[in-house]
Amino acid sequence: KAGVTQTPRYLIKTRGQQVTLSCSPISGHRSVSWYQQTPGQGLQFLFEYFSETQRNKGNFPGRFSGRQFSNSRSEMNVSTLELGDSALYLCASSLPSGASTDTQYFGPGTRLTVL
Amino acid sequence: DAKTTQPPSMDCAEGRAANLPCNHSTISGNEYVYWYRQIHSQGPQYIIHGLKNNETNEMASLIITEDRKSSTLILPHATLRDTAVYYCIVRGAGNMLTFGGGTRLMVKP
Repeated sequence: KAGVTQTPRYLIKTRGQQVTLSCSPISGHRSVSWYQQTPGQGLQFLFEYFSETQRNKGNFPGRFSGRQFSNSRSEMNVSTLELGDSALYLCASSLPSGASTDTQYFGPGTRLTVL
Repeated sequence: DAKTTQPPSMDCAEGRAANLPCNHSTISGNEYVYWYRQIHSQGPQYIIHGLKNNETNEMASLIITEDRKSSTLILPHATLRDTAVYYCIVRGAGNMLTFGGGTRLMVKP
């Protein structure tokens, strides 16, 4: 079974621009979660989508948004980019129940650099 | 979800067992212990998880104390490719994983 895929793998943007990142979950997985990893803050939860609906949300400003499509693929968008948004953005997929035993599997991440 | 405490770094000789400890003294009865590792700039890789019984898979063993307040991840024969940051996570229901600082394991030849 193919793993979680994320595109693009690397991205360079300038302050004020917006960016869209894409995630394709493992086949059969319907929950997609997004995380941000920075050297200062570590790995932080952004949000989770299931059945095209946001189910959980972390403590990030409204500039960070996402959506999920009917085929479970997900995108996240960051508007009005700031230097501090430079990070590794990770997507994880799992079965949809949200039970403690549903393992999340991570993709390779998208490295975003904001200049 | 309960908070975890891990040593920031550990060394291990290649071929020896690596024992990575984790304290989770506030864990609740229905919370699982999960272990992930992250090799430099890659996505975290799932290793193993457990509730109260010891668990073993092809990658590692997980030993959970009887009171469930701590656990140990064991890599039986560490190789250089096991050099990574290892995260211990206590997880309840829901898909929001809370990552701490993890343990940076350095396997040395």
